[in-house]
Amino acid sequence: AQKITQTQPGMFVQEKEAVTLDCTYDTSDQSYGLFWYKQPSSGEMIFLIYQGSYDEQNATEGRYSLNFQKARKSANLVISASQLGDSAMYFCAMREADRDDKIIFGKGTRLHILP
Amino acid sequence: GAGVSQTPSNKVTEKGKYVELRCDPISGHTALYWYRQSLGQGPEFLIYFQGTGAADDSGLPNDRFFAVRPEGSVSTLKIQRTERGDSAVYLCASSPTSGSADTQYFGPGTRLTVL
Repeated sequence: AQKITQTQPGMFVQEKEAVTLDCTYDTSDQSYGLFWYKQPSSGEMIFLIYQGSYDEQNATEGRYSLNFQKARKSANLVISASQLGDSAMYFCAMREADRDDKIIFGKGTRLHILP
Repeated sequence: GAGVSQTPSNKVTEKGKYVELRCDPISGHTALYWYRQSLGQGPEFLIYFQGTGAADDSGLPNDRFFAVRPEGSVSTLKIQRTERGDSAVYLCASSPTSGSADTQYFGPGTRLTVL
């Protein structure tokens, strides 16, 4: 079974609109971390935002926020006021506390921002 | 400060040859990770080092793959008798420690092409 599911292979959004990228995860651990990374066409993985499973507040970093719904095992990324430079692949990822070695990535969502 | 660096950025080799891929982590980061990203997929874990030792090598696909980190900083991923299926982008990441809250910072990757 997939640990991280991103159901939107691709999305097209008009510039300046807000966009939500979906992510659901599967774990039996109580302690885990959730991450979003951006991968532009240059290939580098850019860390965007982190949410710990015990964090009561949704994480925010500038225009990025993470809509964390623990009971639903959902960790959607919200990008406000999208910009052309936001066009990229976006990966949701999880790190389980008892597996403090690896991050497990979803298959990604390709976001296209239209002018 | 300097981020994670990887060399070479591109490597083209022939089937059956031996290759070495190098990763220089962020200074002071004790944890180092290797991932492999095939086209259209998210990164997949290969191996994790804590200091000089490989704490988890469960992601290495077979015994043709080997990695070392002799002095606890630079790491080398070694692939023997390369096959066309080894073609992918090999990503290295480092983090300060290895707790679930620690963000992994990625390098730009090495694109390996096996002809």
